[in-house]
Amino acid sequence: GAVVSQHPSWVICKSGTSVKIECRSLDFQATTMFWYRQFPKQSLMLMATSNEGSKATYEQGVEKDKFLINHASLTLSTLTVTSAHPEDSSFYICSARGLAGGWNIQYFGAGTRLSVL
Amino acid sequence: GNSVTQMEGPVTLSEEAFLTINCTYTATGYPSLFWYVQYPGEGLQLLLKATKADDKGSNKGFEATYRKETTSFHLEKGSVQVSDSAVYFCALTQGGSEKLVFGKGTKLTVNP
Repeated sequence: GAVVSQHPSWVICKSGTSVKIECRSLDFQATTMFWYRQFPKQSLMLMATSNEGSKATYEQGVEKDKFLINHASLTLSTLTVTSAHPEDSSFYICSARGLAGGWNIQYFGAGTRLSVL
Repeated sequence: GNSVTQMEGPVTLSEEAFLTINCTYTATGYPSLFWYVQYPGEGLQLLLKATKADDKGSNKGFEATYRKETTSFHLEKGSVQVSDSAVYFCALTQGGSEKLVFGKGTKLTVNP
């Protein structure tokens, strides 16, 4: 089946620094990728939809200057958390749209745990 | 807006026990409904789906029936195995949109 790789799986950074998270579709091309955020014991919340070669579409309440998304190729999207602060600590998950049985479905990465000190 | 409510976990069962994880939804119109499973250290995987009322999704011994009258999509399995230990997420999409709305997830632990 389709595989989505997310890197790193865990990152610790100092407050004020920026962190980049990569999301790769390993064996298929993904024109659309999605970025989610998950707080402990909460559901995944969609942050933005990333389309190859164009600007990402952000959900209401998500700061686009804070969470920079770049989808430069059909197999790679990156999320950069700029000037991270402790309140940005969370679990970030990406997914890539692919075909399965004639349906468009989302294939998910394993997630990145960000801890900001 | 659209929302999904699923039973609070964690759920702990013995091997071969019957499993039910409740899921209800709030949405206008006719959403598509999904169950995703997340095994330890892995990404969410689509387990099963149903796209219209009375549809039954099934996979790996799991089943869920789209009940519009009760706005529910409960997940069931007749005999769980240790390997079914995971977190299960109920989700929906609406009106042709690909945006998934998730429940909070239910952690299942199956003991031998």
